[in-house]
Amino acid sequence: AQSVTQPDIHITVSEGASLELRCNYSYGATPYLFWYVQSPGQGLQLLLKYFSGDTLVQGIKGFEAEFKRSQSSFNLRKPSVHWSDAAEYFCAVGAGGYQKVTFGIGTKLQVIP
Amino acid sequence: GAVVSQHPSWVICKSGTSVKIECRSLDFQATTMFWYRQFPKQSLMLMATSNEGSKATYEQGVEKDKFLINHASLTLSTLTVTSAHPEDSSFYICSATPQGYQETQYFGPGTRLLVL
Repeated sequence: AQSVTQPDIHITVSEGASLELRCNYSYGATPYLFWYVQSPGQGLQLLLKYFSGDTLVQGIKGFEAEFKRSQSSFNLRKPSVHWSDAAEYFCAVGAGGYQKVTFGIGTKLQVIP
Repeated sequence: GAVVSQHPSWVICKSGTSVKIECRSLDFQATTMFWYRQFPKQSLMLMATSNEGSKATYEQGVEKDKFLINHASLTLSTLTVTSAHPEDSSFYICSATPQGYQETQYFGPGTRLLVL
């Protein structure tokens, strides 16, 4: 069965600083990987996804993620964080097709002035 | 594009009553829709997978008779919480997968249910 680990439950960064959110997955084949962001009381918005090809994926809002098969990781990065980035971030892994997606527990990002 | 709506956005009901939540794909047709439940400070837990025109597939531990799912058209799925109890209070989120883009789920804004 597929699984996702987000080791950091809560992260605090200063506005303008760089950000990296960690995600490790477990899946027997080539995974479909996603990062979603959730603002308080809201649904999830897709930031970016990886299915195949270039392992460095660009997403919306200046986010990027790198798929590293050898490390089973799909870490999310942003070079300069804005106060509006404060939210909860979920990494997810899927099997592709109309298959269900498994979500990590989420990382709550706090941005301080 | 790929907008999913949910209605209502929040609902308060008395214990023992039934509540219906609608999930609509506004600008695409969705062969498959998913229903999730999210408890405070926790991740999304998949409840069921709904395919248009067929019975929903429920995850282990989810009561089929309590959480009725109907996917009558390619743009609408409904979740009915029957005989709701306080422990059913939660944040319910649906997602939809566009035809031809089955790898990606697009999420609705969620429905917060409070059962008194």
